[in-house]
Amino acid sequence: NAGVTQTPKFRVLKTGQSMTLLCAQDMNHEYMYWYRQDPGMGLRLIHYSVGEGTTAKGEVPDGYNVSRLKKQNFLLGLESAAPSQTSVYFCASTRDSWNTEAFFGQGTRLTVV
Amino acid sequence: AQSVTQLGSHVSVSEGALVLLRCNYSSSVPPYLFWYVQYPNQGLQLLLKYTSAATLVKGINGFEAEFKKSETSFHLTKPSAHMSDAAEYFCAVSFTGNQFYFGTGTSLTVIP
Repeated sequence: NAGVTQTPKFRVLKTGQSMTLLCAQDMNHEYMYWYRQDPGMGLRLIHYSVGEGTTAKGEVPDGYNVSRLKKQNFLLGLESAAPSQTSVYFCASTRDSWNTEAFFGQGTRLTVV
Repeated sequence: AQSVTQLGSHVSVSEGALVLLRCNYSSSVPPYLFWYVQYPNQGLQLLLKYTSAATLVKGINGFEAEFKKSETSFHLTKPSAHMSDAAEYFCAVSFTGNQFYFGTGTSLTVIP
């Protein structure tokens, strides 16, 4: 049982390049989330989805886009990377609401130079 | 505004000593409360959660937390620290129909 899987695990981008982070969960969860983790700031919600075909903005959505075409996948896109987007990105999922246990992927460490 | 505050970004304890990690929340309604642990280079794992069934919540690895409404607190404790407890700990809150809010984290160091 893989749980939540993120790819890639590491990436270095040049300013202005684009990339997509993939999150896949095999638990049939309805809710999926993308967070970024920065030193001293905890986890901040970028975007989330409450079901297939739905997305919504979180606390820090600027510079990111997301898609949830399939229930098990949640993609995070950076159209034009900036150094301020250097961070560790975590995907998470919950069964059916905000109030249940969140399962996290192992993270993607992104550096924008 | 609804938020969560963790006092102390770094806590050091001796092996075998009491672990106390502090978490306070601000909210006009009772929230759902969680503690997560993050080991180096890994994602977060749930330690325990409070969902109004009981004020004292027991979690994995010997950790427990007590919900105190009057103090708006949900501090995490463990009677005797073990070397394997060294990690980053996050308090999180959620409210019905709203998102999780994570604290800024507390890094726990256990001294042999």
